[in-house]
Amino acid sequence: EPEVTQTPSHQVTQMGQEVILRCVPISNHLYFYWYRQILGQKVEFLVSFYNNEISEKSEIFDDQFSVERPDGSNFTLKIRSTKLEDSAMYFCASPQANTEAFFGQGTRLTVV
Amino acid sequence: GDSVTQMEGPVTLSEEAFLTINCTYTATGYPSLFWYVQYPGEGLQLLLKATKADDKGSNKGFEATYRKETTSFHLEKGSVQVSDSAVYFCALSDRRSNTGKLIFGQGTTLQVKP
Repeated sequence: EPEVTQTPSHQVTQMGQEVILRCVPISNHLYFYWYRQILGQKVEFLVSFYNNEISEKSEIFDDQFSVERPDGSNFTLKIRSTKLEDSAMYFCASPQANTEAFFGQGTRLTVV
Repeated sequence: GDSVTQMEGPVTLSEEAFLTINCTYTATGYPSLFWYVQYPGEGLQLLLKATKADDKGSNKGFEATYRKETTSFHLEKGSVQVSDSAVYFCALSDRRSNTGKLIFGQGTTLQVKP
C-alpha cells in the first residue's frame, strides 16, 4: 500500500518558537493536505496544496501557518510562533481525486 | 456547508457483540463516504468507502451502506474483537470538487472488553 511519511513523530516546543512539520507524500499524487486533531476532538482540515500553491485553506490556517514544497518531494507545514492551542496531532494526507486519502502517522506537537 | 455527524461515544461492548456506529451527513453535492479508523497511538487508516447511493463498503468484517434517502452511512460489524478497539471516523468527500478534501465527523471511540 502507498505510504505517506511524516517527521518527527513527536515535537515538543516552547511557546513562541517556530516549528516545521515534514511530510513525504505519495509521489504521483497531485493534492496534498494538512489536517489537525486536537486531543479528543474531530479531525479538522487546515489547508490543501496543489501545483505548488495553496488551493484552499480553513479559518484555522491564519498568518502563523505556511506550507511549502521546498524540493519537489517533501511537503512542510510551518508554524511561525507557536501558541499553547496549537498543541495537536497534525496529519499529512495524499489523496487521489475521488478516492481515499492516504494519511501519514501524524506528528504530535506539544507546545509548553 | 457539508457536515458529518456521528453518534457519541464511547461505545463499550463485550467481545463477539454486534456493533453499530451511526453516521449521518449533510451535503449539497454528491459525496463519497468513508470510514477511517485510528488505533491507539497510530494515524488514520481507511477502513471502507462507498462512492454512490446503495453502494456497500466492506473490509475486515465491517460494513456500511450508502443510504441517500436517509443520508446515512452507518458502520456495522457482526462480531467485534478486542483488537477492534479504536476511534472510528466517518467522513465525506465532495466528488464534484474533485480535490479529495475530507470532512470528518467527531469520531466514536469503541472499547471492546474480553
